[in-house]
Amino acid sequence: EAGVTQSPTHLIKTRGQQATLRCSPISGHTSVYWYQQALGLGLQFLLWYDEGEERNRGNFPPRFSGRQFPNYSSELNVNALELEDSALYLCASSLARDSATDTQYFGPGTRLTVL
Amino acid sequence: QKEVEQDPGPLSVPEGAIVSLNCTYSNSAFQYFMWYRQYSRKGPELLMYTYSSGNKEDGRFTAQVDKSSKYISLFIRDSQPSDSATYLCAMSGMGAQKLVFGQGTRLTINP
Repeated sequence: EAGVTQSPTHLIKTRGQQATLRCSPISGHTSVYWYQQALGLGLQFLLWYDEGEERNRGNFPPRFSGRQFPNYSSELNVNALELEDSALYLCASSLARDSATDTQYFGPGTRLTVL
Repeated sequence: QKEVEQDPGPLSVPEGAIVSLNCTYSNSAFQYFMWYRQYSRKGPELLMYTYSSGNKEDGRFTAQVDKSSKYISLFIRDSQPSDSATYLCAMSGMGAQKLVFGQGTRLTINP
């Protein structure tokens, strides 16, 4: 069974540009989560999508946004990039949104560097 | 104060040692407790999952949760060089769906 996949592996942008990151969940999973892992800060929750809708959002500015497509894949968009947005962006998926116990499986991440 | 505190290490121990990793937390609403392992340049993988207080054992790994003290632990017995990784504790509340992570402890097992 294929795991969570993310693209691209690496992304280099300059300040003020926009970045688009993509995630494909495990087959059958409907929930997709985005986390930011910045150096020294640990993983921080960004967004949660389920059945095409945004269900929860972390403490990040509105220039972080995303969407979930009918096939449950997801995009994370970061507008007006700032240097401190440089981080590893991790996507996770889980089977269903109805249970807080559902396991989240992580992809390998996209390393975003803002110059 | 962070919701979840975890000593970032680094922690270096000889092969075969017992390793103890710990996290403390402040939010009494947390009900679900997890330990993830993250190898360099990889995403985190789930190691252990515990609901509420108690112990859970899986092979060389034991997870403990003490909700009265707001303290969780992961023990690794007979540690191996392949256990060298960053270990992240994570927790969530009922229906919250978002995981709150500790900073991660970088562990090295020396042959």
